Amino acid sequence: DAGVIQSPRHEVTEMGQEVTLRCKPISGHNSLFWYRQTMMRGLELLIYFNNNVPIDDSGMPEDRFSAKMPNASFSTLKIQPSEPRDSAVYFCASSSRTGDYGYTFGSGTRLTVV
Amino acid sequence: GESVGLHLPTLSVQEGDNSIINCAYSNSASDYFIWYKQESGKGPQFIIDIRSNMDKRQGQRVTVLLNKTVKHLSLQIAATQPGDSAVYFCAENPGGYNKLIFGAGTRLAVHP
Repeated sequence: DAGVIQSPRHEVTEMGQEVTLRCKPISGHNSLFWYRQTMMRGLELLIYFNNNVPIDDSGMPEDRFSAKMPNASFSTLKIQPSEPRDSAVYFCASSSRTGDYGYTFGSGTRLTVV
Repeated sequence: GESVGLHLPTLSVQEGDNSIINCAYSNSASDYFIWYKQESGKGPQFIIDIRSNMDKRQGQRVTVLLNKTVKHLSLQIAATQPGDSAVYFCAENPGGYNKLIFGAGTRLAVHP
């Protein structure tokens, strides 16, 4: 298995532009999580899905952030409009409810908003 | 992924020594705990987990200890190697769906 795949690996965009981050979870995993990592706040859970349904989006910072999971193999996190304070590394992780609940993380997308 | 940087506590050890990384968790209802390792430029990687019905679990060179009375978790790494240098996070599952809440992290620096 190729693991959790995120794209792009790096994204530099101008303030006000729309940014879309993509994630392909591990096949067979039915839970998907989006985290944001910054120096000041560490790893923050933004939103998670179970069986493609959003369960808890209380970590999404503002209405500018939205996430979708149209099918079991794909999810997007969109920021519109982007702001410099959104600069961070965004991680996607997936897990299975059977057995252990350990997550498998992707390599992350480093977002820089200038 | 760039780990939490400037304000992380740092544990410095000599190669070959044993390391102990500590974590205080917040929710007494948490029933599942995991330790993750994050190397520079990478996502967190699962190391070892433990359920609340246990107080100790061992893996290869690593041991996790759980003290539910004081809500404390520790990770012990035996014979620490340079490749162990990373940021280590503890995470707790407060129950319900398997969402994890991460601690702030500890940077482990291994010196030759």
